[in-house]
Amino acid sequence: EVQLVESGGGLVQPGRSLKLSCAASGFTFSNYYMAWVRQAPKKGLEWVATISTSGSRTYYPDSVKGRFTISRDNAKSSLYLQMNSLKSEDTATYYCATGTYYHWGQGVMVTVSS
Amino acid sequence: DVVMTQTPPSLSVAIGQSVSISCKSSQSLVYSDGKTYLHWLLQSSGRSPKRLIYQVSNLDSGVPDRFSGTGSQKDFTLKISRVEAKDLGVYYCAQTTHFPWTFGGGTKLELK
Repeated sequence: EVQLVESGGGLVQPGRSLKLSCAASGFTFSNYYMAWVRQAPKKGLEWVATISTSGSRTYYPDSVKGRFTISRDNAKSSLYLQMNSLKSEDTATYYCATGTYYHWGQGVMVTVSS
Repeated sequence: DVVMTQTPPSLSVAIGQSVSISCKSSQSLVYSDGKTYLHWLLQSSGRSPKRLIYQVSNLDSGVPDRFSGTGSQKDFTLKISRVEAKDLGVYYCAQTTHFPWTFGGGTKLELK
């Protein structure tokens, strides 16, 4: 059974950093592009980052480029999202997902507030 | 950026009724490999999204054939035949042809 389990969320002050993790199991993690998607409270889905199978290529929307970094450790079947210079508008539930959104984690809440 | 416009934003439906949701993109979603990376997802209340259809018309495993996807280039439709209670929630179209990947605004399917 495929499982994606996010962790690392919480309450953080504006300007601070937070690192999310996603532990994958039940599939060959190294064969899949992986993505982070977020959903602000009562809002729609927003793509945040994608990483290639080897980790050599990463992609971001302008809203997080330069502040967020996606990475992966294929030996550990783990995906990460380093979030720096956090803003109130980054408050959302963050999901990790496989490639083109086939499998999703349960999500982890990040609240940016003073 | 590719703008994905979904209509209607909400739908009230009776069980057993059929419905259609439209998704229009601001540019063609045909990738250089000839494939169209337009997908449909459902997010039931309080749950993570679930992909139903990938590349316009391919049903994911376990998705009933009451769901169907059609379209090409910039114009796509999700049809649900004989709606059941478990079909309720918010439907999103999503494109992964062009970076930045983008989602439609969602269509909320509710019981009439």
